[in-house]
Amino acid sequence: GEDVEQSLFLSVREGDSSVINCTYTDSSSTYLYWYKQEPGAGLQLLTYIFSNMDMKQDQRLTVLLNKKDKHLSLRIADTQTGDSAIYFCAESFNSYNQGGKLIFGQGTELSVKP
Amino acid sequence: EAGVTQFPSHSVIEKGQTVTLRCDPISGHDNLYWYRRVMGKEIKFLLHFVKESKQDESGMPNNRFLAERTGGTYSTLKVQPAELEDSGVYFCASSGDRVEAFFGQGTRLTVV
Repeated sequence: GEDVEQSLFLSVREGDSSVINCTYTDSSSTYLYWYKQEPGAGLQLLTYIFSNMDMKQDQRLTVLLNKKDKHLSLRIADTQTGDSAIYFCAESFNSYNQGGKLIFGQGTELSVKP
Repeated sequence: EAGVTQFPSHSVIEKGQTVTLRCDPISGHDNLYWYRRVMGKEIKFLLHFVKESKQDESGMPNNRFLAERTGGTYSTLKVQPAELEDSGVYFCASSGDRVEAFFGQGTRLTVV
């Protein structure tokens, strides 16, 4: 079945790197996503990775995918107080130009201390 | 370009009452989704429209929930009658012909 797991909380100091981890059970997923939810706001798509890729980098964000272990991580370099939010991992099973549902994890609350 | 808009942002109703949530997707997006997050748990899929048709409604919890998408534009999600366990944040999302789905701010529903 489809199941996505994340740790619930992470606390880091400003300037440090943050690593948020996610594991999933269904290896047939095609895309994996990271969404960010700031307090009182909706879900913002941060980045996504195609399942046949190992890594994707976008400015301070690095996504690593280990398909053998079904493990996805999001590294935020030089973490700032504005990065404090809930981060959701999600997977989908559709192709690029098709719609389809996302399976989300519980979200990891990142707290950045000055 | 306007994003996904949801209305209302908050709703407090009594058990047994009816509530209707509205979602306006990004213009031109054929795919529209409803999701729900209950009590800090994972965000769960409810259903998926392609234009005005229900593509996948496997996540709808029971027949107290009715979703419609008139003319393939905005969508409504009605809960009738509401129960305490329906409390949560209801998110709407839309996507076009690409893999990214864009989410609205959510409607926080509290049933008392």
